[in-house]
Amino acid sequence: GQNIDQPTEMTATEGAIVQINCTYQTSGFNGLFWYQQHAGEAPTFLSYNVLDGLEEKGRFSSFLSRSKGYSYLLLKELQMKDSASYLCAVRVMDSGYALNFGKGTSLLVTP
Amino acid sequence: SAVISQKPSRDICQRGTSLTIQCQVDSQVTMMFWYRQQPGQSLTLIATANQGSEATYESGFVIDKFPISRPNLTFSTLTVSNMSPEDSSIYLCSVESRRDEGVDEQFFGPGTRLTVL
Repeated sequence: GQNIDQPTEMTATEGAIVQINCTYQTSGFNGLFWYQQHAGEAPTFLSYNVLDGLEEKGRFSSFLSRSKGYSYLLLKELQMKDSASYLCAVRVMDSGYALNFGKGTSLLVTP
Repeated sequence: SAVISQKPSRDICQRGTSLTIQCQVDSQVTMMFWYRQQPGQSLTLIATANQGSEATYESGFVIDKFPISRPNLTFSTLTVSNMSPEDSSIYLCSVESRRDEGVDEQFFGPGTRLTVL
């Protein structure tokens, strides 16, 4: 199985930068995904990393270190609408293409 | 990208009954999955719905409790059988689809919110 850890809750101020960390222990690693989920809604795709390094996409960036089993999601210029749950998910070869999710980080953006 | 619809969007059911959830995709997809999200929790994979063969279940989930059908490449159903209050959850259908930049992304349906009394 996989052990995926991320902080339960985080709070940040509008306009600031926040980094959400995710660590995992797995064999057969086949990619790491970040999803955003607003209350009562389905998860929506944010980013995907399969190689080491930083992937930047507008205000969102995601980093991966496979040797350390570590990823982070970086959110810049925070907006109130960024208040949501952020889910780290790992895909492994022996699960086909299914994802194994961490428990999610609930981010609260304050004025 | 894939657009996914689920029916029903929510339901309240009595203990001991069964509910079948439908998942419809607007394009043919190879991989379809069913997840469960219990209140305040993250997503847990129930099974992979295979077209033309039996679904592949994760540890802790069995076919008698969660029978799955996949008659074609755009449709699947998940049945929650002999329900108990512990089955109260959001059930999400997901498909694998390739984005323009070559990333295999999983898209999620809007979910079915089930409450068992």
